[in-house]
Amino acid sequence: DGGITQSPKYLFRKEGQNVTLSCEQNLNHDAMYWYRQDPGQGLRLIYYSQIVNDFQKGDIAEGYSVSREKKESFPLTVTSAQKNPTAFYLCASSIYLGPASGANVLTFGAGSRLTVL
Amino acid sequence: DAKTTQPPSMDCAEGRAANLPCNHSTISGNEYVYWYRQIHSQGPQYIIHGLKNNETNEMASLIITEDRKSSTLILPHATLRDTAVYYCIVGNAGNMLTFGGGTRLMVKP
Repeated sequence: DGGITQSPKYLFRKEGQNVTLSCEQNLNHDAMYWYRQDPGQGLRLIYYSQIVNDFQKGDIAEGYSVSREKKESFPLTVTSAQKNPTAFYLCASSIYLGPASGANVLTFGAGSRLTVL
Repeated sequence: DAKTTQPPSMDCAEGRAANLPCNHSTISGNEYVYWYRQIHSQGPQYIIHGLKNNETNEMASLIITEDRKSSTLILPHATLRDTAVYYCIVGNAGNMLTFGGGTRLMVKP
């Protein structure tokens, strides 16, 4: 079955440690995204990538880093510089056909819940 | 800046139609209206999208006003499993979709 796999589902870390969240997709989608969700809130965009070896900051990129070395993979690192990293992290992907192409339907993974102790 | 406005919560009786409104008065001509839903602690699920015309699929119907400043998502026969947060989003392939607070729909027996 095609889809997006995020791992781990739950992660506990001590304050000051970097952590990396995995996101893999087998949908052959060009674009991938990372969102953060805090309790009772909507989703906020952290980073996105429309093509391999290229990515852009979203609304809340400070304290996070990403890489896009392969089309299928878009890992997110939560660094020690992120002041409040405890949150639910969601990865998504979509077919990106360019800014004038019209609709952009996202497919989401199941999420990774990070708790910093 | 929020591009859409939705009521924070709504109730619906099981078996009845759920009508979820959304205001998007600043929508641009090439921006689509999308609806997603999120069941507790899961990733959002795509429901439907449209540009100008009304749309229907196996999950729901989307009614967009003629001036495109508002829309309504209709779940024709709500079930308990439709209890979720419903997000209305506007955007196109050139701008990244922003998810606001959504509407928390509670379907009651």
